[in-house]
Amino acid sequence: QKEVEQNSGPLSVPEGAIASLNCTYSDRGSQSFFWYRQYSGKSPELIMSIYSNGDKEDGRFTAQLNKASQYVSLLIRDSQPSDSATYLCAPEGGSQGNLIFGKGTKLSVKP
Amino acid sequence: DAGITQSPRYKITETGRQVTLMCHQTWSHSYMFWYRQDLGHGLRLIYYSAAADITDKGEVPDGYVVSRSKTENFPLTLESATRSQTSVYFCASSELQGPDRRGGYTFGSGTRLTVV
Repeated sequence: QKEVEQNSGPLSVPEGAIASLNCTYSDRGSQSFFWYRQYSGKSPELIMSIYSNGDKEDGRFTAQLNKASQYVSLLIRDSQPSDSATYLCAPEGGSQGNLIFGKGTKLSVKP
Repeated sequence: DAGITQSPRYKITETGRQVTLMCHQTWSHSYMFWYRQDLGHGLRLIYYSAAADITDKGEVPDGYVVSRSKTENFPLTLESATRSQTSVYFCASSELQGPDRRGGYTFGSGTRLTVV
């Protein structure tokens, strides 16, 4: 059973701080990794993808990947109250290449 | 409008009834998926489809049936609804699958199903 582990939170950070969200995965064959944001009562929304070891930056978001450690993270700089949501880690897994979703980390950004 | 749409948004049904959730996408994506989301379990894959007339089971397929006669439609049927099937159901689509994929899934707005 391929697994994706995330701290459930809630992770609480003050406005303007850096939020750090972590994810570990069990499938060493995973090649593609995605971060989704899900607001309460809404559907998941893709915010970042990463395929190679290292960092990938997109605006206030930075995804970090370390395949050797089977670890992927998402940093949110200058956190805003509008970033308050649940963040889902989703590595590709298995022979069919389906995405496997973690249970998510709930982030709360306090004004 | 382009995108992926689910209907209905909300549904209340009785135990034992058959109910069908609809999913329609306008991108001609090859891959379509059905997930359910429950507190404590996250998103769990029910069924997926690689193309018209090709479907396969996911993690939690029992009690569900799917079909895909056209690329754009992927309905999910609960043959005899049970209370344990009360959940939020999401449909998603993707152009590619596997290591060649460049891009994740796009989700519909979801259907909140309550079985009483």
